[in-house]
Amino acid sequence: ELQLVESGGDFVKPGGSLRLSCEASGFTFSIAWMSWVRQAPGKGLEWVGRIKRNVDGGTTDYATPVKGRFTISRDDSQNTLYLQINSLKPEDTAVYYCTTEGYGGDYYSGMDVWGQGTTVTVS
Amino acid sequence: QSLLTQTPSASGTPGQRVAISCSGSSSNIGGNYVYWYQQVPGTAPKLLIYRNNQRPSGVPDRFSGSKSGTSASLVISGLRSEDEAHYYCATWGDSLSGHVVFGGGTKVTVL
Repeated sequence: ELQLVESGGDFVKPGGSLRLSCEASGFTFSIAWMSWVRQAPGKGLEWVGRIKRNVDGGTTDYATPVKGRFTISRDDSQNTLYLQINSLKPEDTAVYYCTTEGYGGDYYSGMDVWGQGTTVTVS
Repeated sequence: QSLLTQTPSASGTPGQRVAISCSGSSSNIGGNYVYWYQQVPGTAPKLLIYRNNQRPSGVPDRFSGSKSGTSASLVISGLRSEDEAHYYCATWGDSLSGHVVFGGGTKVTVL
């Protein structure tokens, strides 16, 4: 079964830091591009950023509002994706989802596997 | 304010056809694939359409997607109660950066 399980969400004060994790199973994690998407309470979906697979350089891309504060990394040996969030702001309050961009290696296949989300509250 | 514009709401009775639009520009929809996601309240989003008009395995064929120029559409034919959800379009903001942009979402209500 294809599965992504996020963890690490918490209630933190402004200016604090947090590291979210996303453990993958049921597919070959190392060939997938991985993204983080967040959803503020009562709002729509917002793409946070992505990390490409190592064969594509393992590079990262970030949405403008989070660039410089958020860092995405991956450990293919542990099938795990990470999101380091620094200098947290109240507007970072959201459910954070990890998602694949083509779990089968085709990054044009869309965000085809989603985790259940982990909640970050900044207050 | 999203770069992709969706009508905030749409509704229909069971069995009806509902169309949802997503309007963008030449730098996003015009030059990239469009994707559609369904989010039932309280659950994670689910991929509904990829590459403009392709359905992942398991998605009923009453869902169909299309793209023309700088706009895209999702059509639900034969609306069912379980289709009540938010629907989001998405694409790359521009081909160079590869940033993903989502539309603001459309809430579909089954009357």
